[in-house]
Amino acid sequence: EAAVTQSPRNKVAVTGGKVTLSCNQTNNHNNMYWYRQDTGHGLRLIHYSYGAGSTEKGDIPDGYKASRPSQENFSLILELATPSQTSVYFCASGDYEQYFGPGTRLTVL
Amino acid sequence: GDSVTQTEGLVTLTEGLPVMLNCTYQSTYSPFLFWYVQHLNEAPKLLLKSFTDNKRPEHQGFHATLHKSSSSFHLQKSSAQLSDSALYYCALSEATQVVGQLTFGRGTRLQVYA
Repeated sequence: EAAVTQSPRNKVAVTGGKVTLSCNQTNNHNNMYWYRQDTGHGLRLIHYSYGAGSTEKGDIPDGYKASRPSQENFSLILELATPSQTSVYFCASGDYEQYFGPGTRLTVL
Repeated sequence: GDSVTQTEGLVTLTEGLPVMLNCTYQSTYSPFLFWYVQHLNEAPKLLLKSFTDNKRPEHQGFHATLHKSSSSFHLQKSSAQLSDSALYYCALSEATQVVGQLTFGRGTRLQVYA
């Protein structure tokens, strides 16, 4: 089965600090995605990528940047973290069938 | 734009009773519809997908039928099990969109009791 891993699994950050969430996939999928999950909002797409070197804005990109340095790796960057970015973040790879990582719980104090 | 509407919040059932979770959608073109399931402290994973009208996909006892006439893709199961307790997401992808770009509903939590 496809394998998507995320690090860290839990993170506490301070307001105004920089946070980088990392994702690695071993499925050789071209497409990768970053979502956040919040109660009452479901899964919302932040950024996605078609392949190494590409990043595209999803539905809620404000306050986030993304980086895809290789086929396997896709990072989500919060340059200036805010408490409103406290959430659970999921990385996924694939096309119609998306394989999700285990998630990162981020708390911004 | 595209949107997905699901049964709101929490659905509670007694084991053995039928399950029906509603999903309706708005789309501009011909959509593909999906159900994803997320058990507690786990990642979401694909449960069902439907690429043609009036075909009934099935998995783990769950089934769903895409009805373009009513813009619906309801999830059903004849007899709920305790292990069905989870968060269920309906999702949509337009045929004209980037392959794999999904729009998710807000999710419906199913709790099955003994």
